[in-house]
Amino acid sequence: DTQMTQSPSSLSASVGDRVTITCRASQGVGNDLSWYQQKPGKAPKRLIYAASSLQSGVPSRFSGSGSGTGFTLTISSLQAEDSATYYCLQHNSYPLTFGGGTKVEIK
Amino acid sequence: EVQLVESGGGLVQPGGSLRLSCAASGFSFSGYWMYWVRQPPGKGLVWVSNINNDGTDTTYADSVKGRFTISRDNAKNTLYLQMNSLRAEDTGLYYCTRGNLGFDPWGQGTLVTVSS
Repeated sequence: DTQMTQSPSSLSASVGDRVTITCRASQGVGNDLSWYQQKPGKAPKRLIYAASSLQSGVPSRFSGSGSGTGFTLTISSLQAEDSATYYCLQHNSYPLTFGGGTKVEIK
Repeated sequence: EVQLVESGGGLVQPGGSLRLSCAASGFSFSGYWMYWVRQPPGKGLVWVSNINNDGTDTTYADSVKGRFTISRDNAKNTLYLQMNSLRAEDTGLYYCTRGNLGFDPWGQGTLVTVSS
């Protein structure tokens, strides 16, 4: 199984800060990696697919990078509405696995 | 508008059964693999199962293999998850989602509670 280790598990940052979340895969997943945002009581929403492609309608302050075993989600200028939990997902091999999540709070 | 709407959740005793449904609209349902993902209360996301376009190929997480069956009716644009021999650890919010370089979109989820 491919384990997805996501860090940090939580962070607190101010509006305007640059925020970086990482996912490390226990084995290579190519670029079969996507990122999701989940707000309380809501379904997850895809932000990034194929490691670095921005989902239509998602603000450009979100970006993704990486390939193989190391991936990053960056929020270039944190906004209040970005308060949420973020997950990575590898869909390269079964079982499909999510990272443990990163809870982003606004200071 | 692409939409997925789950139904069928509820409270069931350990060992019982439930059948979840997911009604799809706004896209060519038969053109996509479909997935079930669950989220235990207060915890993260877990892939459960998926099915290919025509229903001939299915895959399951080890935790549900032999107990859950995924299926689809392309004529009705509906995805199903038959859940048997339910356990307390199956409790959670069950989402259906469309596969396409990851999962997008997601339904709103249906809550399954396994408890005596």
